[in-house]
Amino acid sequence: DIQMTQSPSTLSASVGDRVTVTCRASQSISSWLAWYQQKPGKAPKFLIYDASNLESGVPSRFSGSGSGTEFTLTISSLQPDDFATYYCQQYNTYPYTFGQGTKLEIK
Amino acid sequence: EVQLVESGGGLVKPGGSLRLSCAASGFTFSSYSMNWVRQAPGKGLEWVSSISSTSSSYIYYADSVKGRFTISRDNAKNSLYLQMNSLRAEDTAVYYCARQSRLGPSPFDYWGQGTLVTVSS
Repeated sequence: DIQMTQSPSTLSASVGDRVTVTCRASQSISSWLAWYQQKPGKAPKFLIYDASNLESGVPSRFSGSGSGTEFTLTISSLQPDDFATYYCQQYNTYPYTFGQGTKLEIK
Repeated sequence: EVQLVESGGGLVKPGGSLRLSCAASGFTFSSYSMNWVRQAPGKGLEWVSSISSTSSSYIYYADSVKGRFTISRDNAKNSLYLQMNSLRAEDTAVYYCARQSRLGPSPFDYWGQGTLVTVSS
């Protein structure tokens, strides 16, 4: 199975900050990577697919990059609505696997 | 508007069974692969099972549920199912159904609100 490792596990930041979350795959997944946002008690929300493509309706302050084994999610200027937990997911090979999550907290 | 609505969760004793359902609307259900994903209390997301659009192409399971859970779908009823047998305490989680966005390798673009399964004596 492909292991997905996110860092950091927790990130404290302020409104207006630029933040980056990293996701590493245990083997190459080409660009078959997605990012999701989840708020407490809610279903995950789909943000980015194929490593760098923004889903329709997602604010442009979100961006993704990377290929192979290393990927990043960047939020260019944090807004109050962005404080949540973020997950990466590989869909290169079954079993599809998620990272353990990165909780973005208000500093 | 795409909607996925799960049902069937509840409290069950270890070793018991439960059948989850996911009612889909707002899209051509028979054209999309579907999935179950679960989330234990306070934990991360865990993919559980996938089924192709016509059921005949592929069905996959996580090792943690293989042999105990069965995914199925009824395209005439726009419904996805998860039959869960021999339930264990570690199966306690919110179970989400999720749509795969396209043919081939693809992420999950729509998710239901989830249904809670609690396995406890």
